[in-house]
Amino acid sequence: SQTIHQWPATLVQPVGSPLSLECTVEGTSNPNLYWYRQAAGRGLQLLFYSVGIGQISSEVPQNLSASRPQDRQFILSSKKLLLSDSGFYLCAWSATGNGYSPLHFGNGTRLTVT
Amino acid sequence: AQSVAQPEDQVNVAEGNPLTVKCTYSVSGNPYLFWYVQYPNRGLQFLLKYITGDNLVKGSYGFEAEFNKSQTSFHLKKPSALVSDSALYFCAVSGYSSASKIIFGSGTRLSIRP
Repeated sequence: SQTIHQWPATLVQPVGSPLSLECTVEGTSNPNLYWYRQAAGRGLQLLFYSVGIGQISSEVPQNLSASRPQDRQFILSSKKLLLSDSGFYLCAWSATGNGYSPLHFGNGTRLTVT
Repeated sequence: AQSVAQPEDQVNVAEGNPLTVKCTYSVSGNPYLFWYVQYPNRGLQFLLKYITGDNLVKGSYGFEAEFNKSQTSFHLKKPSALVSDSALYFCAVSGYSSASKIIFGSGTRLSIRP
């Protein structure tokens, strides 16, 4: 069966420090991969998605970036964190590039920027 | 452009009573519709989806949803609520063109009182 791993679960970082969040998927090949941010326990904002290695699309301009160095690995990064980067970050995968494949989410990383 | 609305921030139901969580959508062409549930500090879990066919879709944990094309709605229902159903529920919509354009509603907090 497919599983998705996301770490760390919680992270406290000072303003201006770098960030690296990692997500890996097991049990499937060529997944679509996604990074979402959830603020205040509510709506989801799509940050990045990837349909293949090295292929990243950004939905919202910001000081974050994403990379996909391997088929089932998705990394969210920042060179210098801002206070506004605090939130709950969720990685997700879907099986194919059509619209009817559901997303499968990791357990999230709660990031607090101080 | 696609959009999805969850008109109720919170729904309160007594245990054993039926529950409904409302969702309306707007999309060009045929919609793909989803419901997800989120427990505190966890990722979203897929409950059910509508692609085509029978308007009543059955999903996990006894939930079902009814697709109504004329009213552009996809309400989540359960005949008898459990306290353990208390969580945050998200409706989502996508079209065939790209899985990256999965749009989530703002979420409805469901509270089941004993």
